[in-house]
Amino acid sequence: DVKVTQSSRYLVKRTGEKVFLECVQDMDHENMFWYRQDPGLGLRLIYFSYDVKMKEKGDIPEGYSVSREKKERFSLILESASTNQTSMYLCASSPRTLGGYTFGSGTRLTVV
Amino acid sequence: AQSVAQPEDQVNVAEGNPLTVKCTYSVSGNPYLFWYVQYPNRGLQFLLKYITGDNLVKGSYGFEAEFNKSQTSFHLKKPSALVSDSALYFCAVQTAADSWGKFQFGAGTQVVVTP
Repeated sequence: DVKVTQSSRYLVKRTGEKVFLECVQDMDHENMFWYRQDPGLGLRLIYFSYDVKMKEKGDIPEGYSVSREKKERFSLILESASTNQTSMYLCASSPRTLGGYTFGSGTRLTVV
Repeated sequence: AQSVAQPEDQVNVAEGNPLTVKCTYSVSGNPYLFWYVQYPNRGLQFLLKYITGDNLVKGSYGFEAEFNKSQTSFHLKKPSALVSDSALYFCAVQTAADSWGKFQFGAGTQVVVTP
């Protein structure tokens, strides 16, 4: 069964900490995405990557960075976590051609 | 620019009654349309998609959706709702006009099915 795996379901971090959210896909997909989901705001794209070492900013990249050193892994980095980054984070992957996304189960991050 | 609208924040339906979740879109070019469902504290799960061909698309869990090009709509339907269908539903659109195939998501519709 193909899947996207996010390393943590729940995380609690302190303000100012550097936070790493990991995502791994086993479908050999070229594209990978990081979204955050907040009540009333839907899904907002943070960053995406269309190839190894390539990245593009999404709609809300401020306060975040990403890393894609291998095709199957896409990491989201919160350089200095803040309380307004408390959210559900969703990773997704897709093939280069038009088609659907496959989502991970999500990481609910709480910054205290 | 492409956009997706889900005009209802919440849909309430009694178990056994028909369920409809509305979605309209605005794109340049031909749309690829998708429905996803999200259960509490989970990721989004694929339900169905329209790429081309028959306007009526059948998907998982007894759901179907009809692509209506003239009304630019892609409403999700289920003939007889179950309590277990209570979840958050997202419509999404994708087009070749976006170089990277990024989705544009609707804001989501919360479906509540009461026994």
